[in-house]
Amino acid sequence: DIQMTQSPSSLSASVGDRVTITCRASQDITNFLAWFQQKPGKAPKSLIYGASNLQPGVPSKFSGSGSGTEFTLTISSLQPEDFATYYCQQYDSYPLTFGQGTRLEIK
Amino acid sequence: EVQLVESGGGLVQPGGSLRLSCAASTSTFSNFWMHWVRQAPGEGLVWVSRISSDGSSTIYADSVKGRFTISRDNAKNTLYLQMKSLRADDTAVYYCARGMGPFIAVWGQGTLVSVSS
Repeated sequence: DIQMTQSPSSLSASVGDRVTITCRASQDITNFLAWFQQKPGKAPKSLIYGASNLQPGVPSKFSGSGSGTEFTLTISSLQPEDFATYYCQQYDSYPLTFGQGTRLEIK
Repeated sequence: EVQLVESGGGLVQPGGSLRLSCAASTSTFSNFWMHWVRQAPGEGLVWVSRISSDGSSTIYADSVKGRFTISRDNAKNTLYLQMKSLRADDTAVYYCARGMGPFIAVWGQGTLVSVSS
């Protein structure tokens, strides 16, 4: 199985900040990487696929990059609604695997 | 946008069975691969199973293989997850999700399965 490791596990930031979350795969997954946002008590929401492609309706403040084994999710100009947990997921091979999540909290 | 509504969750004893359903609000349901993903209380997301658009191909996580069966009825726009021999560590919110190609694009709201005596 491909292991996905996110860093940091938690992150405190202020409204207006720009933050970056890193996701590393245990083997080369090309660009078969997705990012999801989950707020407490809610279902996940799909943000990015193919490492850098925004899902329809996702604001351009979210951006993804990377290939191979290292990927990043960047969120610019944080707003209160952006504080949530973010997960990466590889879909290069089954079983699909998620990172452990990064909890983004308000400072 | 397509909506996915799960149902069928609840409290079940260890060793028991439960069938989850996921109703899709779109006639294009038959075009898409579908997934089940679960999340134990306070934990992260774990992929459970995937079924192809016509139901001919299925795949499972090792933790549920032989106990869970994914299926679909394209005439009813509904996805199912039959769960047997349930264990305490199967306790989770179960989400159905629509694929877009190989990746997950749309999530349902989830249904809670609790396995306890």
